[in-house]
Amino acid sequence: EVQLVESGGGLVKPGGSLRLSCVASGFTFSDYSMHWVRQAPGKGLEWVSSISSNSEYIDYADSVQGRFTISRDNAKNSLFLQMNSLRAEDTAVYYCARGGPVTQSQFDYWGQGTLVTVSS
Amino acid sequence: DIQMTQSPSSLSASVGDRVTITCQASQDIANYLSWYQQKPGKAPNLLIYDASNLETGVPSRFSGSGSGTDFTFTISSLQPEDIGTYYCQQYDNLYSFGQGTKLEIK
Repeated sequence: EVQLVESGGGLVKPGGSLRLSCVASGFTFSDYSMHWVRQAPGKGLEWVSSISSNSEYIDYADSVQGRFTISRDNAKNSLFLQMNSLRAEDTAVYYCARGGPVTQSQFDYWGQGTLVTVSS
Repeated sequence: DIQMTQSPSSLSASVGDRVTITCQASQDIANYLSWYQQKPGKAPNLLIYDASNLETGVPSRFSGSGSGTDFTFTISSLQPEDIGTYYCQQYDNLYSFGQGTKLEIK
């Protein structure tokens, strides 16, 4: 059974940093692209960042470019999102999601999400 | 950036009704489109990928069609468990979601 479990969310002050983790199981992690998607309270889904299976290709939404860094450790079946210079508008539930073996693919499995709250 | 325009933003229908949601892309995305269902407090769940392919385990009352810029998602006979918010997503050039359609039972 495919499982994605996020952790690392919490309350942080504006300008602060947080590192999210997502541990995967039930599939060969190194074969799949992985993604972060967020959802602000009461709002829709917003794609945040993506990383290819071997970390060769990385993309970011304009809203987080230069502040967030996505990475993965295939040996540990783990995906990460380092978030710096956090703003109030970064407050959201952050989901990790599995893509496909190729870049152009749907997100077929999602974690339960971890809440990030940016507030003074 | 590719913008996805989804309509309607909310919808109320009766059990057994045929329900249709549309999604329009700001440029040609071929068939690189998926549909998700999200229930309150839960993660999104993939229903349709590549515009018209039903994800394994998803009931056949759900279907999708379209290509290029115009896409349609249909529930052939609405069931009580179908309430939630539905999103389209393009994956032709990076990724972007429609704003969502909140579906309620009348």
